[in-house]
Amino acid sequence: ETGVTQTPRHLVMGMTNKKSLKCEQHLGHNAMYWYKQSAKKPLELMFVYSLEERVENNSVPSRFSPECPNSSHLFLHLHTLQPEDSALYLCASSPLRAQGEKLFFGSGTQLSVL
Amino acid sequence: EDKVVQSPLSLVVHEGDTVTLNCSYEVTNFRSLLWYKQEKKAPTFLFMLTSSGIEKKSGRLSSILDKKELFSILNITATQTGDSAIYLCAWGFAGGTSYGKLTFGQGTILTVHP
Repeated sequence: ETGVTQTPRHLVMGMTNKKSLKCEQHLGHNAMYWYKQSAKKPLELMFVYSLEERVENNSVPSRFSPECPNSSHLFLHLHTLQPEDSALYLCASSPLRAQGEKLFFGSGTQLSVL
Repeated sequence: EDKVVQSPLSLVVHEGDTVTLNCSYEVTNFRSLLWYKQEKKAPTFLFMLTSSGIEKKSGRLSSILDKKELFSILNITATQTGDSAIYLCAWGFAGGTSYGKLTFGQGTILTVHP
């Protein structure tokens, strides 16, 4: 256990559905991240929240909408996705300042869009 | 464009072998180089390197960074089947941010046969 929990582990959705991915961290960190891992591609940074404020948005389409209500929870709201959005979505957290690059990852949500 | 390149992309060995995984980078504002192990889904942290020439060790794993030649290696001695995983290399960006902004390589898939 890394201290970062993601739910659900698997999700199948149609292109017209709305769903949300949830992430919770128990490490006392103040930065949280969403990464996307597609087949045969490197992990891609999607969003970064620092002290509950979105500080990075890596040109992600608006059909992905993140939410960070507090420093322990992070959501990714999904709507009208495309089949090419099928991927593993990983949440991570890290401390700020010293060793802020040392990310702790959850086990991910494997998303399939039909 | 900043990039991280790992080699080989895949490697098959037998238990007891020693392996060396490579990571080269062409980046601006280097801060750190990190290695992660990804079994199943969650990448787990192995090493963070910031200084050239200083080897970090953890059991049978070790890693070193060469900031002049812009590469890092990860060594695994006396490999075991449990070492089978994807090994990810990432560089940490330094730009006055206190949170981690990691750019990942495509990973090396290591398979260890009994």
